[in-house]
Amino acid sequence: QSALTQPASVSASPGQSITLTCTGSRNDVGGYNFVSWYQQQPGKAPKLLIYNVNSRPSGVSPRFFGSKSGNTASLTISGLQAEDDGDYYCTSYTTEGTLDLAFGGGTRLTVL
Amino acid sequence: QVQLQESGPRLVKTSQTLSLTCTVSGASISSDDWYWGWVRQAPGKGLEYIGYAHHKGTTYYNSSLTSRLTISVDKSKNQMSLNLKSVTAADTAVYFCARRPWIRGYYMDVWGRGTMVIVSS
Repeated sequence: QSALTQPASVSASPGQSITLTCTGSRNDVGGYNFVSWYQQQPGKAPKLLIYNVNSRPSGVSPRFFGSKSGNTASLTISGLQAEDDGDYYCTSYTTEGTLDLAFGGGTRLTVL
Repeated sequence: QVQLQESGPRLVKTSQTLSLTCTVSGASISSDDWYWGWVRQAPGKGLEYIGYAHHKGTTYYNSSLTSRLTISVDKSKNQMSLNLKSVTAADTAVYFCARRPWIRGYYMDVWGRGTMVIVSS
């Protein structure tokens, strides 16, 4: 059972915008600004898209935007492209458990 | 640029020890600035954080694996290793090594490509 809750799947058409959510608690998402997002395409390693809620690593497209409200973090992808198809995972600093990072179960994004 | 490469046997027998190595290139595993860790992904499932280590010796493990797990850093070889004892089919997964910043680094910025490990009798 994942500590952070993500919808199992979402879909949208090319060119549209979509928002993926990641819900936790005050012990993780809600209490700290240490949410990160990863994109994983089939057969590949996860790729860091967003860290510290809304920071983008060098080279990541500005079409990816991170935000947070209360216990829910969001990843908004604008101008959807076919290459955005894949799985998206959120993580957050957590005060629960022996590790300081909690993972979400992942959302499968299908670009129709 | 920094690259991580996992290596180890693809097939491990039930009840034996799974041993993997992560070779770091383009960076020093002896740097104070980074933690080095492992994440696994069972077939068709999500990501599971296994644990991580710093070259100074500190280690942090997933509580569900603590009794079976050892992660260590070999500074002379610029490598990190994972040893998981008494494996079962539930340990079948792709194993990734990843780097995270030491200071307030609650994210992993560099990942290896992963290595598939199948546990079978």
